[in-house]
Amino acid sequence: GENVEQHPSTLSVQEGDSAVIKCTYSDSASNYFPWYKQELGKGPQLIIDIRSNVGEKKDQRIAVTLNKTAKHFSLHITETQPEDSAVYFCAAPLTQGGSEKLVFGKGTKLTVNP
Amino acid sequence: NAGVMQNPRHLVRRRGQEARLRCSPMKGHSHVYWYRQLPEEGLKFMVYLQKENIIDESGMPKERFSAEFPKEGPSILRIQQVVRGDSAAYFCASSLTVSYGYTFGSGTRLTVV
Repeated sequence: GENVEQHPSTLSVQEGDSAVIKCTYSDSASNYFPWYKQELGKGPQLIIDIRSNVGEKKDQRIAVTLNKTAKHFSLHITETQPEDSAVYFCAAPLTQGGSEKLVFGKGTKLTVNP
Repeated sequence: NAGVMQNPRHLVRRRGQEARLRCSPMKGHSHVYWYRQLPEEGLKFMVYLQKENIIDESGMPKERFSAEFPKEGPSILRIQQVVRGDSAAYFCASSLTVSYGYTFGSGTRLTVV
């Protein structure tokens, strides 16, 4: 089955610096890689995703890169702001026995210090 | 579009009672997923349902837990005879197509006392 590893588990940066979170996956058939942001007391919110036919996708200060050969993908946040502080989760789909669902990494707690 | 609605937001149950968690998916979404999140941990898959069908319950404990998504009404996650270890946040997500673009609800935080 799919195994998603996420690093680091905690990350502290100064406001304005960049933050990078990395994930690896095991199922070479996986073709969709979303990232979610979870603020305290709230549900996870999709912030960006990438499909396997592209290597990079950007949305303002957020970018995701994908290396299918190495089976890893990364989230890059530039010019970090205090409101970026949250827990970030990567995910990859697992197809098994006629079912498909997302398997999540264990999360990265990002703290942006003003 | 109100998004994925979960209720209650907080639920306190004594050991041995039943907990019923409700989830109304986004309008037009036919795929519903339930995940459990323990403090400081990630999201663990429990069950995947479509209308009137359980597609995948491989993440759900065999005893005391059940889920349904009836033709009419919300999806229900039911936990019978709750124990302290059931205390967690339970999130529901829905999607238009399988896996892509999950939208999560705000969760139900279950506390067993």
